[in-house]
Amino acid sequence: GQNIDQPTEMTATEGAIVQINCTYQTSGFNGLFWYQQHAGEAPTFLSYNVLDGLEEKGRFSSFLSRSKGYSYLLLKELQMKDSASYLCAVKGSNYQLIWGAGTKLIIKP
Amino acid sequence: DTAVSQTPKYLVTQMGNDKSIKCEQNLGHDTMYWYKQDSKKFLKIMFSYNNKELIINETVPNRFSPKSPDKAHLNLHINSLELGDSAVYFCASSPSLQERGYNEQFFGPGTRLTVL
Repeated sequence: GQNIDQPTEMTATEGAIVQINCTYQTSGFNGLFWYQQHAGEAPTFLSYNVLDGLEEKGRFSSFLSRSKGYSYLLLKELQMKDSASYLCAVKGSNYQLIWGAGTKLIIKP
Repeated sequence: DTAVSQTPKYLVTQMGNDKSIKCEQNLGHDTMYWYKQDSKKFLKIMFSYNNKELIINETVPNRFSPKSPDKAHLNLHINSLELGDSAVYFCASSPSLQERGYNEQFFGPGTRLTVL
Protein backbone atom coordinates (compact mmCIF):
# COMPACT_ATOMS: atom_id res chain seq x y z
CA GLY A 1 0.00 0.00 0.00
CA GLN A 2 0.93 3.65 -0.12
CA ASN A 3 1.79 5.44 3.08
CA ILE A 4 2.99 8.83 4.25
CA ASP A 5 4.08 9.17 7.89
CA GLN A 6 4.61 12.37 9.84
CA PRO A 7 4.59 13.15 13.56
CA THR A 8 1.16 14.27 14.71
CA GLU A 9 2.29 17.26 16.73
CA MET A 10 5.48 19.14 17.59
CA THR A 11 6.22 22.06 19.89
CA ALA A 12 9.03 24.58 19.49
CA THR A 13 10.09 27.93 20.86
CA GLU A 14 9.98 31.26 19.05
CA GLY A 15 13.35 32.00 17.46
CA ALA A 16 14.45 28.38 17.49
CA ILE A 17 14.83 25.78 14.71
CA VAL A 18 12.53 22.81 14.14
CA GLN A 19 12.74 19.84 11.78
CA ILE A 20 9.59 18.04 10.67
CA ASN A 21 10.19 14.57 9.24
CA CYS A 22 8.23 12.70 6.60
CA THR A 23 8.72 9.10 5.48
CA TYR A 24 6.91 7.64 2.53
CA GLN A 25 6.22 4.37 0.74
CA THR A 26 4.56 4.93 -2.60
CA SER A 27 4.22 3.17 -5.95
CA GLY A 28 6.39 5.44 -8.03
CA PHE A 29 7.83 8.82 -7.21
CA ASN A 30 7.48 12.04 -9.15
CA GLY A 31 8.30 14.58 -6.49
CA LEU A 32 7.56 15.52 -2.89
CA PHE A 33 5.71 18.61 -1.74
CA TRP A 34 5.41 20.43 1.57
CA TYR A 35 2.33 22.53 2.23
CA GLN A 36 1.44 24.79 5.15
CA GLN A 37 -2.12 24.91 6.47
CA HIS A 38 -3.23 27.40 9.11
CA ALA A 39 -6.27 26.44 11.14
CA GLY A 40 -9.47 27.00 9.18
CA GLU A 41 -7.62 27.87 5.99
CA ALA A 42 -6.58 26.16 2.76
CA PRO A 43 -3.18 24.50 2.30
CA THR A 44 -0.56 26.69 0.62
CA PHE A 45 2.56 25.53 -1.19
CA LEU A 46 5.92 25.70 0.58
CA SER A 47 8.44 23.56 -1.31
CA TYR A 48 9.04 20.89 -3.93
CA ASN A 49 11.83 18.29 -4.11
CA VAL A 50 12.36 15.77 -6.89
CA LEU A 51 16.13 15.23 -6.65
CA ASP A 52 18.10 14.26 -3.56
CA GLY A 53 19.44 17.12 -1.51
CA LEU A 54 18.48 20.32 0.18
CA GLU A 55 16.29 23.07 -1.27
CA GLU A 56 16.49 26.36 0.60
CA LYS A 57 13.91 29.10 0.45
CA GLY A 58 14.38 31.84 3.02
CA ARG A 59 13.72 30.55 6.54
CA PHE A 60 12.39 27.25 5.18
CA SER A 61 14.44 24.38 3.72
CA SER A 62 13.36 20.96 2.52
CA PHE A 63 15.52 17.87 2.17
CA LEU A 64 14.92 14.68 0.20
CA SER A 65 16.52 11.23 0.17
CA ARG A 66 14.78 9.05 -2.41
CA SER A 67 16.72 5.92 -1.49
CA LYS A 68 15.51 6.22 2.12
CA GLY A 69 12.00 7.41 1.29
CA TYR A 70 12.60 10.34 3.59
CA SER A 71 12.17 14.09 3.64
CA TYR A 72 12.29 16.81 6.21
CA LEU A 73 11.16 20.41 6.41
CA LEU A 74 13.46 22.70 8.38
CA LEU A 75 12.09 25.93 9.77
CA LYS A 76 14.58 28.47 11.13
CA GLU A 77 14.10 31.58 13.27
CA LEU A 78 10.63 30.44 14.21
CA GLN A 79 7.91 33.06 14.42
CA MET A 80 4.52 32.81 16.11
CA LYS A 81 2.87 32.95 12.67
CA ASP A 82 4.58 29.64 11.82
CA SER A 83 2.09 27.87 14.10
CA ALA A 84 0.22 25.72 11.59
CA SER A 85 -0.05 22.22 10.23
CA TYR A 86 2.62 21.10 7.77
CA LEU A 87 1.53 18.55 5.18
CA CYS A 88 3.87 16.25 3.28
CA ALA A 89 2.59 14.98 -0.08
CA VAL A 90 4.17 12.66 -2.65
CA LYS A 91 3.31 12.62 -6.34
CA GLY A 92 3.03 8.93 -7.19
CA SER A 93 3.27 6.98 -10.41
CA ASN A 94 -0.11 8.21 -11.67
CA TYR A 95 0.86 11.81 -10.83
CA GLN A 96 -1.78 11.93 -8.13
CA LEU A 97 -0.74 13.52 -4.83
CA ILE A 98 -0.77 11.24 -1.78
CA TRP A 99 -1.06 13.25 1.40
CA GLY A 100 0.19 12.71 4.93
CA ALA A 101 -2.05 13.62 7.86
CA GLY A 102 0.06 16.66 8.65
CA THR A 103 2.15 17.75 11.60
CA LYS A 104 0.64 20.37 13.88
CA LEU A 105 3.41 22.75 14.91
CA ILE A 106 2.87 24.77 18.08
CA ILE A 107 5.18 27.73 18.66
CA LYS A 108 5.61 29.00 22.22
CA PRO A 109 6.99 32.41 23.18
CA ASP B 1 -8.41 38.52 -7.95
CA THR B 2 -9.14 35.23 -6.24
CA ALA B 3 -7.35 32.36 -7.98
CA VAL B 4 -9.58 29.49 -6.82
CA SER B 5 -12.97 30.32 -5.33
CA GLN B 6 -15.63 28.11 -3.75
CA THR B 7 -19.19 28.76 -2.69
CA PRO B 8 -20.62 28.46 -0.17
CA LYS B 9 -18.01 28.76 2.57
CA TYR B 10 -20.32 27.17 5.12
CA LEU B 11 -23.14 24.72 4.48
CA VAL B 12 -25.41 23.34 7.19
CA THR B 13 -28.09 20.92 6.09
CA GLN B 14 -30.26 18.02 7.16
CA MET B 15 -29.54 14.37 6.53
CA GLY B 16 -31.08 13.16 3.28
CA ASN B 17 -30.88 16.49 1.49
CA ASP B 18 -29.12 17.13 -1.83
CA LYS B 19 -26.58 19.95 -2.05
CA SER B 20 -24.01 21.39 -4.45
CA ILE B 21 -20.70 23.16 -3.94
CA LYS B 22 -19.33 25.34 -6.72
CA CYS B 23 -15.70 25.91 -7.66
CA GLU B 24 -14.10 28.25 -10.17
CA GLN B 25 -10.46 28.92 -11.06
CA ASN B 26 -9.16 31.84 -13.11
CA LEU B 27 -5.60 30.53 -13.46
CA GLY B 28 -6.07 28.88 -16.83
CA HIS B 29 -5.18 25.50 -15.33
CA ASP B 30 -5.99 22.23 -17.07
CA THR B 31 -6.65 20.13 -13.98
CA MET B 32 -9.07 20.60 -11.08
CA TYR B 33 -9.61 18.49 -7.98
CA TRP B 34 -11.98 17.91 -5.12
CA TYR B 35 -10.59 16.91 -1.73
CA LYS B 36 -12.30 15.95 1.51
CA GLN B 37 -10.58 16.82 4.80
CA ASP B 38 -12.09 15.08 7.78
CA SER B 39 -11.75 15.78 11.48
CA LYS B 40 -8.43 13.93 11.58
CA LYS B 41 -7.11 16.41 8.98
CA PHE B 42 -6.41 13.80 6.31
CA LEU B 43 -6.70 15.27 2.83
CA LYS B 44 -8.30 12.64 0.61
CA ILE B 45 -8.64 13.14 -3.11
CA MET B 46 -12.14 12.52 -4.40
CA PHE B 47 -12.01 13.51 -8.05
CA SER B 48 -9.71 15.03 -10.62
CA TYR B 49 -10.74 16.59 -13.90
CA ASN B 50 -8.22 17.17 -16.68
CA ASN B 51 -9.47 19.17 -19.65
CA LYS B 52 -13.07 18.41 -18.68
CA GLU B 53 -12.53 14.65 -18.53
CA LEU B 54 -12.72 12.69 -15.30
CA ILE B 55 -9.39 10.96 -14.97
CA ILE B 56 -9.35 9.88 -11.33
CA ASN B 57 -12.39 8.66 -9.52
CA GLU B 58 -11.46 7.40 -6.07
CA THR B 59 -13.71 4.96 -4.29
CA VAL B 60 -16.18 7.55 -3.12
CA PRO B 61 -19.90 6.81 -2.86
CA ASN B 62 -21.82 7.43 -6.05
CA ARG B 63 -23.91 9.95 -4.11
CA PHE B 64 -21.04 12.29 -4.96
CA SER B 65 -20.91 13.47 -8.55
CA PRO B 66 -18.53 16.04 -10.03
CA LYS B 67 -19.77 18.23 -12.85
CA SER B 68 -17.54 20.36 -15.03
CA PRO B 69 -19.34 22.71 -17.45
CA ASP B 70 -16.00 24.05 -18.68
CA LYS B 71 -12.28 23.97 -17.85
CA ALA B 72 -12.60 26.76 -15.27
CA HIS B 73 -15.37 25.17 -13.21
CA LEU B 74 -15.72 21.94 -11.25
CA ASN B 75 -18.83 21.62 -9.13
CA LEU B 76 -19.55 18.90 -6.59
CA HIS B 77 -23.08 17.58 -6.18
CA ILE B 78 -23.98 15.40 -3.22
CA ASN B 79 -27.21 13.40 -3.02
CA SER B 80 -28.85 12.00 0.11
CA LEU B 81 -26.41 13.56 2.54
CA GLU B 82 -25.28 11.45 5.51
CA LEU B 83 -23.81 12.39 8.87
CA GLY B 84 -20.41 11.03 7.79
CA ASP B 85 -20.27 13.52 4.95
CA SER B 86 -19.58 16.31 7.44
CA ALA B 87 -16.10 17.61 6.61
CA VAL B 88 -14.29 20.43 4.87
CA TYR B 89 -14.28 20.10 1.10
CA PHE B 90 -11.46 21.77 -0.83
CA CYS B 91 -11.35 22.49 -4.51
CA ALA B 92 -7.90 22.82 -6.10
CA SER B 93 -6.34 23.33 -9.51
CA SER B 94 -2.95 22.75 -11.12
CA PRO B 95 -1.43 23.35 -14.55
CA SER B 96 -1.56 19.70 -15.64
CA LEU B 97 -1.85 16.35 -13.88
CA GLN B 98 0.75 14.76 -16.13
CA GLU B 99 3.29 17.52 -15.57
CA ARG B 100 6.46 15.73 -14.55
CA GLY B 101 8.07 18.60 -12.81
CA TYR B 102 7.00 21.16 -10.33
CA ASN B 103 3.23 21.24 -10.45
CA GLU B 104 1.86 23.17 -7.54
CA GLN B 105 -1.77 22.78 -6.60
CA PHE B 106 -3.68 25.93 -5.68
CA PHE B 107 -6.47 25.44 -3.18
CA GLY B 108 -9.76 27.20 -2.74
CA PRO B 109 -10.77 28.45 0.74
CA GLY B 110 -12.79 25.33 1.52
CA THR B 111 -16.45 24.61 2.22
CA ARG B 112 -17.30 23.44 5.72
CA LEU B 113 -20.22 21.04 5.38
CA THR B 114 -22.19 20.08 8.48
CA VAL B 115 -24.89 17.44 8.18
CA LEU B 116 -27.38 17.36 11.06
